[in-house]
Amino acid sequence: GAVVSQHPSRVICKSGTSVKIECRSLDFQATTMFWYRQFPKQSLMLMATSNEGSKATYEQGVEKDKFLINHASLTLSTLTVTSAHPEDSSFYICSASLEKDGIQYFGAGTRLSVL
Amino acid sequence: AQSVSQHNHHVILSEAASLELGCNYSYGGTVNLFWYVQYPGQHLQLLLKYFSGDPLVKGIKGFEAEFIKSKFSFNLRKPSVQWSDTAEYFCAVNTGGFKTIFGAGTRLFVKA
Repeated sequence: GAVVSQHPSRVICKSGTSVKIECRSLDFQATTMFWYRQFPKQSLMLMATSNEGSKATYEQGVEKDKFLINHASLTLSTLTVTSAHPEDSSFYICSASLEKDGIQYFGAGTRLSVL
Repeated sequence: AQSVSQHNHHVILSEAASLELGCNYSYGGTVNLFWYVQYPGQHLQLLLKYFSGDPLVKGIKGFEAEFIKSKFSFNLRKPSVQWSDTAEYFCAVNTGGFKTIFGAGTRLFVKA
């Protein structure tokens, strides 16, 4: 089956620093990758959709300058949380899709804690 | 706006009990429907999907779901749960294109 690797699984950083999270499709080329944020006891909130070689499409209310997404190849997308603050602490999950049918393959998620 | 509603946030069952998790969505057009599951410490994975055809779909591990178009529902069922079914279950709806909307999730705990 399709495997998506997300790294790191957990990161603790100081306020004001930037954090990069990687999402890789290991055994397939992902047409599209997604970045979600999950708050406790809440649903997955889609932050942005990215296609290889083009700018990411951000959802309403998501700051594109705060959450930088780079989709450099068909197997790699990165999310950089710039100048992180405690309110950015959350669980970030990436997923990848092969076709426009809604099936997504998820990474294991990254727990970000900003002190 | 399109939305997905899961009726229960937490469900506790004993082994061998029957399970039904409710899911309703708001969208009048054609949809693809999904249930994803997240076992403790693992990533989200697809449990089952409905694209078209027979509205009763079967997934892995004995799960099934029924699409009732008139009720905009896609409830998940399992006749007899096991301790290993303890997980969080997410209903999701795709209305075309790449964007999929997820419900808030239901945490199922099965007592051995």
